[in-house]
Amino acid sequence: GAVVSQHPSRVICKSGTSVKIECRSLDFQATTMFWYRQFPKQSLMLMATSNEGSKATYEQGVEKDKFLINHASLTLSTLTVTSAHPEDSSFYICSARRGPTGNTIYFGEGSWLTVV
Amino acid sequence: ELKVEQNPLFLSMQEGKNYTIYCNYSTTSDRLYWYRQDPGKSLESLFVLLSNGAVKQEGRLMASLDTKARLSTLHITAAVHDLSATYFCAVDISPERGSQGNLIFGKGTKLSVKP
Repeated sequence: GAVVSQHPSRVICKSGTSVKIECRSLDFQATTMFWYRQFPKQSLMLMATSNEGSKATYEQGVEKDKFLINHASLTLSTLTVTSAHPEDSSFYICSARRGPTGNTIYFGEGSWLTVV
Repeated sequence: ELKVEQNPLFLSMQEGKNYTIYCNYSTTSDRLYWYRQDPGKSLESLFVLLSNGAVKQEGRLMASLDTKARLSTLHITAAVHDLSATYFCAVDISPERGSQGNLIFGKGTKLSVKP
């Protein structure tokens, strides 16, 4: 079964509104989670590192005020796309490593965002 | 700037044939991952390579890592249609970031296996 779960799997929102995507580690605690974005037929691009109890670390070129990340507990990170525009339409995927010495990095099922 | 380069980006194979996908990277990481992605789906973990010389095999797929050459390969043996998917390599840059799990992905290799 899934080790990392995302919700919703698909969301359509109107331009200018905000949408929240959740990422949960199901049977382990994750002090760090990662958010990626994947445009159609492209690779995954690391957006930010979500740190439990502290601010997220954003990759260069990713607007922190537009992509709000909150990691309020050891099993939940949320990504909020604020004032979404059609160009934000993408596949958003989160990941987490199972334990500090775990070797496998698990990915969520992904969330399709369509901004109309 | 860190680069992760995969080739080929597109690969059309006949069933029963063998082929290798290459992943070159520019950092000093000794941890590399291979993932499979089916259309519209998320990533499925295939292999985790943790040290120089690591070789892992699962079914018709075999992955290897040469950290000195900064090269990983994914070898496909006697391809079957079910292997059709996009394959990504990803380099773990966690040591550089002081974190655990930052991955930089290659562009992916879209594999199509034809009867």
